[in-house]
Amino acid sequence: DSGVTQTPKHLITATGQRVTLRCSPRSGDLSVYWYQQSLDQGLQFLIQYYNGEERAKGNILERFSAQQFPDLHSELNLSSLELGDSALYFCASSVGGQAEGEKLFFGSGTQLSVL
Amino acid sequence: AQSVTQLGSHVSVSEGALVLLRCNYSSSVPPYLFWYVQYPNQGLQLLLKYTTGATLVKGINGFEAEFKKSETSFHLTKPSAHMSDAAEYFCAVSDLRTGRRALTFGSGTRLQVQP
Repeated sequence: DSGVTQTPKHLITATGQRVTLRCSPRSGDLSVYWYQQSLDQGLQFLIQYYNGEERAKGNILERFSAQQFPDLHSELNLSSLELGDSALYFCASSVGGQAEGEKLFFGSGTQLSVL
Repeated sequence: AQSVTQLGSHVSVSEGALVLLRCNYSSSVPPYLFWYVQYPNQGLQLLLKYTTGATLVKGINGFEAEFKKSETSFHLTKPSAHMSDAAEYFCAVSDLRTGRRALTFGSGTRLQVQP
């Protein structure tokens, strides 16, 4: 158990809808990273938050947004969903804000299916 | 841009045989390199990482990797495969576009261990 909790584990929705994925980092970790894993794109970095502030941005679509709350949990909001958004969404956490020097702890992911 | 290429999306070995998973990187500056493992229905776990110093890095579960600058490689090896090693393995490099705050992952290699 990595200590990172993601909910829900599975989500099925329709095109055009909006969903929210939730992540609780390990106790004491200040950074949260969101990754998307799909068969055709592999693991893609979306966005990072550190202590409530956006730190780094990757290949995140404008239809997607995220935030980190004062209790350090994070939410990834996906709107106007398309079939191609179907993927496994991972959250990871680390103590500090520099992924390269630290160990990332990954949650078990949220499997999103857009029908 | 920094990237990693994993040669072979699937590798099959017999139990007790040598495991060799290949990773080549491209980076304009000395990279920080990582290997992560993903077991079925779980998030990724760090196996080992290279930042600076000794080029032979030992990780968990008997795995090791050697950073070879001349070959731009960071191959993962294990002398003797166990059934429990069956998983997907990802090579990753720190992403300079994000100020090294995030990791760029390769496409993954699925390791199958035959009895």
